[in-house]
This record gives sequence, structure tokens and C-alpha cells, in this order.
Amino acid sequence: SAVISQKPSRDICQRGTSLTIQCQVDSQVTMMFWYRQQPGQSLTLIATANQGSEATYESGFVIDKFPISRPNLTFSTLTVSNLSPEDSSIYLCSVEEGGQGTEAFFGQGTRLTVV
Amino acid sequence: AQSVTQPDIHITVSEGASLELRCNYSYGATPYLFWYVQSPGQGLQLLLKYFSGDTLVQGIKGFEAEFKRSQSSFNLRKPSVHWSDAAEYFCAVVRSGSARQLTFGSGTQLTVLP
Repeated sequence: SAVISQKPSRDICQRGTSLTIQCQVDSQVTMMFWYRQQPGQSLTLIATANQGSEATYESGFVIDKFPISRPNLTFSTLTVSNLSPEDSSIYLCSVEEGGQGTEAFFGQGTRLTVV
Repeated sequence: AQSVTQPDIHITVSEGASLELRCNYSYGATPYLFWYVQSPGQGLQLLLKYFSGDTLVQGIKGFEAEFKRSQSSFNLRKPSVHWSDAAEYFCAVVRSGSARQLTFGSGTQLTVLP
């Protein structure tokens, strides 16, 4: 099973700044996914990151606010830009193994608080 | 578009009691269904999954779930709850299409009383 390391585990940021979250996987994976979990809410998919192409964003999420990099098959970053208190959430990286959605593995998440 | 409904926001049970967490899905084809658990400050851990075959699925930590197509349900059960089971539980379905992103239910918070 894939092991995902996510950094930082938590951060407190000033509004107007940006935070970049790193996701490192111990094996090569085709697709990586970024989710947001707002306080007391479920997980919402932000975007799908494929290596060698631009990320695909879900409705309500835009590249200017959530730029994503995917430089290789084991690494991805998500940046949350121009932070506001509404961005305070847990951000989770996920990868899928086995094909056909047989299992998704999640990082421990990054708890972001914007003050 | 598929959706997942977890009608119970919060459930409280006594330790040793049985547990059932409800999950209903809306999906046009045969779904791939999952149950995840999220403990405080932790990521998500897969409890069990259903793709096809036997409709009663065994998972980790003594959990099981039953797929009922006629009721569009995939309820999670455990015969005897332990205090360490207190957590948030999410039901999820794989999206259709070429990508395999998960659509999550809203979650059920489980409290276990001593």
C-alpha cells in the first residue's frame, strides 16, 4: 500500500499570504488528488493532478487560487493563494492504487488556519 | 451525477453495544463503495470496500458492510463497539468516467460511552 507524506501537518498563516503543501508518495502513481475538508464538513475534491499535464479542477475551484504542480510521479504540491479565513480547512492529498478505484490512500492532511 | 447520503450526523452508543451506520447512494451503474474512518487529527483509513460479488463485505477492526442494491444502501456494522472506535466515518463512491475520484458522504460522528 502507498505511503503518503504530507507537509506541513499544520500551519497558521496571515490573510493575504499563500501556503504551499507538499505531498510525497513512496511509489509512482499516475493520478494524485487534492481534497479540502472544511470544519465539520466532508471532503470535497479540489483537483486531479496528472504528471506532465495541467491539473483538472472541480467546479468552484480555480487554478489562480489553488495552483498545483506535479513534476514527477511521486510528488505534488498544492498552493492556497491569497488566503482568507474561509480557507481555514484540512487539505488532504490522495492517491489511488490498483486501477478502477480499488483503493485510495490519504495523507495525514494539512490543517490550515488563516488569521 | 452520483451522490452519497449519510443521514445520521452523530450517533452515540455504549461500549459493547452493536453499531450500524447508514449510507445511501445514488448512482446509475454498479457502484464501487467504500467506508473510511477518520480519527481526530488523522487522515482517512479505509475500513472496507465493495466492487462486486458477495454483498456482505468484511473489513478491518471487526467492521462489515452489506450492499443492498434494492435499497441503494451500503450500511456499516459492528457487533460490539470499542471505545477506540470513536471517530468520524465516511461513506464514499467512486465517480464514473475515466478518473477515479471519490465522492464522499457528509460523515457520521460516532461517540462511544463507557
